[in-house]
Amino acid sequence: AQTVTQSQPEMSVQEAETVTLSCTYDTSESNYYLFWYKQPPSRQMILVIRQEAYKQQNATENRFSVNFQKAAKSFSLKISDSQLGDTAMYFCAFMKQSGGSNYKLTFGKGTLLTVNP
Amino acid sequence: DTGVSQDPRHKITKRGQNVTFRCDPISEHNRLYWYRQTLGQGPEFLTYFQNEAQLEKSRLLSDRFSAERPKGSFSTLEIQRTEQGDSAMYLCASTLDYYEQYFGPGTRLTVT
Repeated sequence: AQTVTQSQPEMSVQEAETVTLSCTYDTSESNYYLFWYKQPPSRQMILVIRQEAYKQQNATENRFSVNFQKAAKSFSLKISDSQLGDTAMYFCAFMKQSGGSNYKLTFGKGTLLTVNP
Repeated sequence: DTGVSQDPRHKITKRGQNVTFRCDPISEHNRLYWYRQTLGQGPEFLTYFQNEAQLEKSRLLSDRFSAERPKGSFSTLEIQRTEQGDSAMYLCASTLDYYEQYFGPGTRLTVT
């Protein structure tokens, strides 16, 4: 079974600064996807960024980028130029990519990020 | 595209009562997932439908839980004889592929 660990329950950052959220995972699979999802207060969860395990290049989406270290099983999220709207719970998630996996997500416990003005 | 909707958004029930939640996925999405999120935890997988077929159920889904997706459209999740431990946010997600699951706003269940 896969496990996802987020060791930072809460973090805060000043507006316009950069923050990095940590995630480690454990799996024996070689083909998988990793995700960061954002859950703003009282709003639905949305995808922030996705990384295919077979790709060595780190994914980037505007102000969001990841540092994917496959050997270390580490998948951190960097948010640059933090904005007040980035305040949310952030979940790291794992998806096995293989026949019969049904592509369900395994989530970490989340990191509550607060962006301060 | 109106997104994934869930109804009701909040449900308060007494222990022992039955409750049913509804999820309306994005119309062309053939895959539908139910997750449960308790306080301080990430969502946990409950069950998965591809079209109308329920293809996987988690061990978390006791025999008091049943889910359906008639005609591969909306889905319902029923909990019979609710217990206080069932109090949680129940999330529905849908997708056409495996790149991105689109989540609904969730149904928050409180069992008193």
